[in-house]
Amino acid sequence: GAGVSQTPSNKVTEKGKYVELRCDPISGHTALYWYRQSLGQGPEFLIYFQGTGAADDSGLPNDRFFAVRPEGSVSTLKIQRTERGDSAVYLCASSQGNSPLHFGNGTRLTVT
Amino acid sequence: GENVEQHPSTLSVQEGDSAVIKCTYSDSASNYFPWYKQELGKRPQLIIDIRSNVGEKKDQRIAVTLNKTAKHFSLHITETQPEDSAVYFCALRNQGGKLIFGQGTELSVKP
Repeated sequence: GAGVSQTPSNKVTEKGKYVELRCDPISGHTALYWYRQSLGQGPEFLIYFQGTGAADDSGLPNDRFFAVRPEGSVSTLKIQRTERGDSAVYLCASSQGNSPLHFGNGTRLTVT
Repeated sequence: GENVEQHPSTLSVQEGDSAVIKCTYSDSASNYFPWYKQELGKRPQLIIDIRSNVGEKKDQRIAVTLNKTAKHFSLHITETQPEDSAVYFCALRNQGGKLIFGQGTELSVKP
């Protein structure tokens, strides 16, 4: 079946703008994770959903970052007032129960 | 809170040699330990995983060992090949389901 889909694959925005990044998980996967990865670094945990609720949002760096998953499937990561330091690859992953995480190809965000 | 330290950050081996990457962690409640391989510009791909009730797992040239008492786990790659060159990440998941990653090891296999 289809894997985890992330759109857009690339996003260039100006400092101060608002962006939304979308993740469409594997069908039936109840868990959905967002990570941020900078060059040469490991994926940095942001937030994790079980169904519609955020089970752990301890990785969100500040209140400019917010994520939703209103119907327990597609999730949107929202970043307000973007800063140059937000530039990174944003990875989404999904899993079912205790199964391994399956990653999408990521969205490369560049803030100019 | 949870923490995972990965060593070494870079590793260079000759083709055919073995490679070992080690991760240590602090949260004794961690119960799942996957390893991911990431090639340049691509997504992380799971290569092997181990759960806390098992001490060792092997899949062809790849093996993972877990020492729960010492709170460390290691990836072993035998008979390395140039296509094994990539960045490898350890990870762990706590009882709440949160999965965190190590800092990565850049493995270079020289022909």
